[in-house]
Amino acid sequence: NAGVTQTPKFQVLKTGQSMTLQCAQDMNHEYMSWYRQDPGMGLRLIHYSVGAGITDQGEVPNGYNVSRSTTEDFPLRLLSAAPSQTSVYFCASMGARLDSPLHFGNGTRLTVT
Amino acid sequence: TQLLEQSPQFLSIQEGENLTVYCNSSSVFSSLQWYRQEPGEGPVLLVTVVTGGEVKKLKRLTFQFGDARKDSSLHITAAQPGDTGLYLCAGEPLTGNQFYFGTGTSLTVIP
Repeated sequence: NAGVTQTPKFQVLKTGQSMTLQCAQDMNHEYMSWYRQDPGMGLRLIHYSVGAGITDQGEVPNGYNVSRSTTEDFPLRLLSAAPSQTSVYFCASMGARLDSPLHFGNGTRLTVT
Repeated sequence: TQLLEQSPQFLSIQEGENLTVYCNSSSVFSSLQWYRQEPGEGPVLLVTVVTGGEVKKLKRLTFQFGDARKDSSLHITAAQPGDTGLYLCAGEPLTGNQFYFGTGTSLTVIP
């Protein structure tokens, strides 16, 4: 099982550039989400989705867009990268059971110069 | 301000010592999870607690959910170097499908 796959693993952008972080899961999970992880701040929720065609904002959505056209994929778009978006980004999915865990990818380390 | 605050932020102890990590909030959660994260990887679930006052044990790790479902603790007995990692709590509020993570506790167990 591949689980949750994130690409790329590393990325360097210049301020103002745009890019898309890819996330795919093969567990048929309805719930998917994006987090960013910064030192001393744990993980902060950016956007989440409870199913195809449905997305909603988390704690820190500004500067990011998402879409959910299929159950498997949940890409995160940075429209105009800023140095404050330098972080490690994690995608996670979750099954429908009450005690289901979040399954995380291995992260994308993004640096914006 | 984050919804869940963890303490301590850093902990360095000798092998064999006991330790407790706290996860506190002013909000009520329908469930609370604890994760451990290794460098370069995503967090991995340790346990989920859903009932106020619930205690769960996982080998040398004991997890407790507060009676009011606003806080939780993780106690490790006789810590080992393999316990080294970042420990994160995550809560699901009563409303919505969001999972909020705590600030994290970085544990180092020295052999």
